[in-house]
Amino acid sequence: NAGVTQTPKFQVLKTGQSMTLQCAQDMNHEYMSWYRQDPGMGLRLIHYSVGAGITDQGEVPNGYNVSRSTTEDFPLRLLSAAPSQTSVYFCASESGPNSYEQYFGPGTRLTVT
Amino acid sequence: AQSVTQPDIHITVSEGASLELRCNYSYGATPYLFWYVQSPGQGLQLLLKYFSGDTLVQGIKGFEAEFKRSQSSFNLRKPSVHWSDAAEYFCAVGDINDYKLSFGAGTTVTVRA
Repeated sequence: NAGVTQTPKFQVLKTGQSMTLQCAQDMNHEYMSWYRQDPGMGLRLIHYSVGAGITDQGEVPNGYNVSRSTTEDFPLRLLSAAPSQTSVYFCASESGPNSYEQYFGPGTRLTVT
Repeated sequence: AQSVTQPDIHITVSEGASLELRCNYSYGATPYLFWYVQSPGQGLQLLLKYFSGDTLVQGIKGFEAEFKRSQSSFNLRKPSVHWSDAAEYFCAVGDINDYKLSFGAGTTVTVRA
């Protein structure tokens, strides 16, 4: 098993550009989520999904879109990048009820200039 | 709403010495509590978790944590640290009703020879 994979590892965008951060898991997990990590703030939940076709907002959803067409993939889209979105982004997955163990990907470091 | 406070931003400890990282949580019911570790440039790895039962929880890498309801705390300990324990440590609280995790801001541990 590869676990949770994320691409790209690094990305530099100009303000106003759009892009998609990719996340995939091969563990057949129901639950997937996106976090952003900023210095001194820990991880904050952006969006999450409890299964294919079901998504919901987390703590900091503005400026981001998600969709979940398959169990394996959970891409995060930045519609119009802003410098405030400079961060490290982590995708995580969890098998389902009563698991409560999230597996994290290696992260994507995004810089918006 | 649930929240987590990690009072120590940075701790320096000598190799072979003991380590204790503090975590205080705010949650209305019985919390689900977690400690994660993040090595430089890596994703997060689960060290241990508490759901119920014995308040002293054993985890991987020789770590343990103690849940104290009266103090709303879930402190992480290791009797003798190794240079490889240098990392950032995050405490998190989970909601029994969904999969969401709320993370503390993290504590960076430096190990000196």
